[in-house]
Amino acid sequence: KAGVTQTPRYLIKTRGQQVTLSCSPISGHRSVSWYQQTPGQGLQFLFEYFSETQRNKGNFPGRFSGRQFSNSRSEMNVSTLELGDSALYLCASSWLPPRANEQFFGPGTRLTVL
Amino acid sequence: AQKVTQAQTEISVVEKEDVTLDCVYETRDTTYYLFWYKQPPSGELVFLIRRNSFDEQNEISGRYSWNFQKSTSSFNFTITASQVVDSAVYFCALSENRDDKIIFGKGTRLHILP
Repeated sequence: KAGVTQTPRYLIKTRGQQVTLSCSPISGHRSVSWYQQTPGQGLQFLFEYFSETQRNKGNFPGRFSGRQFSNSRSEMNVSTLELGDSALYLCASSWLPPRANEQFFGPGTRLTVL
Repeated sequence: AQKVTQAQTEISVVEKEDVTLDCVYETRDTTYYLFWYKQPPSGELVFLIRRNSFDEQNEISGRYSWNFQKSTSSFNFTITASQVVDSAVYFCALSENRDDKIIFGKGTRLHILP
């Protein structure tokens, strides 16, 4: 069974640009969560989707958005990039909502904003 | 508000020693869920355990054990007879029943020295 895949794995952008990251969950998983990991702030919850609905959102500005498609694949978008958006973005999937079971994490997309 | 504190930023022990990673949480909910995840140098988070607030039984899985104490709001993780492969960053996390935001602690970087 294939794990969670994230594309691209590495990305370099400049300030002001926008970026879209993609996450393909494990087959059959309906919940997808996104996290931002930085050395200073650690792992921070961005948002969670379940069956195409955003059910929870962390404390991030509106520049961070996401969506989930009918096949459970998810994308997150960051507009008007800032230097502070440089981070490892992790996607996690689970069969049930995250609190109910184990989440499986992808390898992450490392975003560098210059 | 929910919060997870891992006071130990970094720990180094010699192989075969036992080591305990501390986790203290804060929540207003009576129903909540606690997790431990491991992030090896490869970067992908690996689920270790999930515990709900009504289950205070300690758990042992091979060399790993967890001590959940509601009275002190702690969910500590012990590795017995540590091995070099245990070197990683370990995260404790909390989710309240009201939503599926998983709040992570800042992590403890564990070095097992040969």
